Amino acid sequence: DTGVSQNPRHKITKRGQNVTFRCDPISEHNRLYWYRQTLGQGPEFLTYFQNEAQLEKSRLLSDRFSAERPKGSFSTLEIQRTEQGDSAMYLCASSLATGGNTEAFFGQGTRLTVV
Amino acid sequence: AQSVAQPEDQVNVAEGNPLTVKCTYSVSGNPYLFWYVQYPNRGLQFLLKYITGDNLVKGSYGFEAEFNKSQTSFHLKKPSALVSDSALYFCAVMGGSYIPTFGRGTSLIVHP
Repeated sequence: DTGVSQNPRHKITKRGQNVTFRCDPISEHNRLYWYRQTLGQGPEFLTYFQNEAQLEKSRLLSDRFSAERPKGSFSTLEIQRTEQGDSAMYLCASSLATGGNTEAFFGQGTRLTVV
Repeated sequence: AQSVAQPEDQVNVAEGNPLTVKCTYSVSGNPYLFWYVQYPNRGLQFLLKYITGDNLVKGSYGFEAEFNKSQTSFHLKKPSALVSDSALYFCAVMGGSYIPTFGRGTSLIVHP
């Protein structure tokens, strides 16, 4: 399967610990997005890369959150000093920014539970 | 700022009947519009998109959506609902920022 891959699928961590999630986008997709989704809500934008450049970051995003996309391939999202309010599904998506290929394809998500 | 409104938290329809899931949007410039479906504990699955051209776009699993510029709407439709269509449906809009903004979602329940 050459879809968007996210690891791990589930993560349980204690409050105050750091966690890191990985996203492998569809090969050759140059845009990569991170979203957060909580129960009963739609995906909330966190950050966006075009190739290796982080072009946009949500103003609502705490400075405890950081993301990287070295070499414009896979991406990591790190949350430092986790809080219970960080518990959510973290979704990664990628798209190919050429012509009419504007739709983003999502991974299965990483479900984070902070206890 | 761009935004999406899905006015119905839940839509109930009997199997075999037509269904409509509503979406209105706000964006500067020409919109790119999308519908996604989400099954429990899964990521979002792309259904269809509007970029330009015909106002009626067709997508996966027999779904279609109608773009109405004057009403800033992009309602999802299907002529005959299946029980297996029961899921969460999300509308999204994207403008010049190339960042999709999603609505809160509508739960579609198709009764046998």
